[in-house]
Amino acid sequence: DIVMTQTPLSLSVTPGQPASISCKSGQSLLHSDGMTYLYWYLQKPGQSPQLLIYEVSSRFYGVSDRFSGSGSGTDFTLQIGRVGAEDVGIYYCMQGIDLPLTFGQGTRLDIK
Amino acid sequence: VHLVQSGGGLVWPGGSLRLSCATSGFTFTNAWLSWVRQAPGKGLEWVGRIKIKTDGATTDYAAPVKGRFTISRDASKNTLYLQMNSLKTEDTAVYYCATDGYPKLFDYWGQGTLVTVSS
Repeated sequence: DIVMTQTPLSLSVTPGQPASISCKSGQSLLHSDGMTYLYWYLQKPGQSPQLLIYEVSSRFYGVSDRFSGSGSGTDFTLQIGRVGAEDVGIYYCMQGIDLPLTFGQGTRLDIK
Repeated sequence: VHLVQSGGGLVWPGGSLRLSCATSGFTFTNAWLSWVRQAPGKGLEWVGRIKIKTDGATTDYAAPVKGRFTISRDASKNTLYLQMNSLKTEDTAVYYCATDGYPKLFDYWGQGTLVTVSS
């Protein structure tokens, strides 16, 4: 199984400041088709998870442009510009290149 | 897009339960579908997936549930199912259904349903 490791596991951010979450995979997520299958989800308190970013850097419909994804191979980053109260929750990365699909442990973000 | 789940509850170890996920707002026959679970206070764990008919309607499962859980779909009802047999206490979790399929894996989710396996 591909192990996904997120850092940090928790993050406390002053409103209006940026935040960054790292995700490292146990093997390259670059497929032979040229795509890299790394995803980011946010689970807000009491809600189902929601897709933020697919294939490393593509924002899902309706996702704020304050969210951006980057990276390649085994190292990936989710950046949130100008964090607000609506961004509170747990962020998960996930690999989609191989079964079983596996998630990172999650990074809890709260507001100072 | 809507995914509305039903069927959770309390069950004894060794028992069975079937979860349903009624869908609307997209072409059911064109969508892969998955189940993802979340144990209390824990992270997300993929349970399994079912592909569409033209991809063989094949299923894949995570190792902890393989041989005990069965995913199926009914195109006449636009509904996804998860049949869970030989349940163990470690299967206690909120179970989510989600649309699946590249490039946007898990782009829409159900509201989740709690399954508690306890004596």
